[in-house]
Amino acid sequence: EAQVTQNPRYLITVTGKKLTVTCSQNMNHEYMSWYRQDPGLGLRQIYYSMNVEVTDKGDVPEGYKVSRKEKRNFPLILESPSPNQTSLYFCASSGNASGRAPETQYFGPGTRLLVL
Amino acid sequence: QKEVEQNSGPLSVPEGAIASLNCTYSDRGSQSFFWYRQYSGKSPELIMFIYSNGDKEDGRFTAQLNKASQYVSLLIRDSQPSDSATYLCAVKAGAGSYQLTFGKGTKLSVIP
Repeated sequence: EAQVTQNPRYLITVTGKKLTVTCSQNMNHEYMSWYRQDPGLGLRQIYYSMNVEVTDKGDVPEGYKVSRKEKRNFPLILESPSPNQTSLYFCASSGNASGRAPETQYFGPGTRLLVL
Repeated sequence: QKEVEQNSGPLSVPEGAIASLNCTYSDRGSQSFFWYRQYSGKSPELIMFIYSNGDKEDGRFTAQLNKASQYVSLLIRDSQPSDSATYLCAVKAGAGSYQLTFGKGTKLSVIP
């Protein structure tokens, strides 16, 4: 089954404790992206990657890091989480898809993060 | 700064009616347009995409695009309570990028 997976789905942590949210896709997509979603603010892009070893900042990159060492994986790293990073995070991927538009983004199930 | 604007709603329609959702975008070079549906606490799922001016129909859903007016809409015919969700409009710029700019979404409520 074609899908984007994220782990963990729920996470409660404390300020300053480094954490990683994993994202993996099995569709051989070139493009992967991380978004955060907050009430009233919609989906905001954090980082994106056009391919292996190619990453770039989105609209709200402060406090986050990413890496793209393999095509299927795109982890999101919070080196020193703060309460304002409490949010719902989505990973998405697109590209190299037959049939549907290659720009169609497929979303993971989301990770709900609470930073105390 | 590319912008995609949607009415936040909530938009309430009775069951069986037509729901009309609207979206405007600022980048005149935009080429591809998407409608996603998002249930509360869930991930967005694609409903339709449209590239060309005019209408595109898929079941109860019709997407309409007017590039001259920089306007895209989604019509939902015979609305069902299960259509109650937030609808996100997304726009892609020119060729060579997969980046989408999302609107903040319109919350639709279908009243039984």
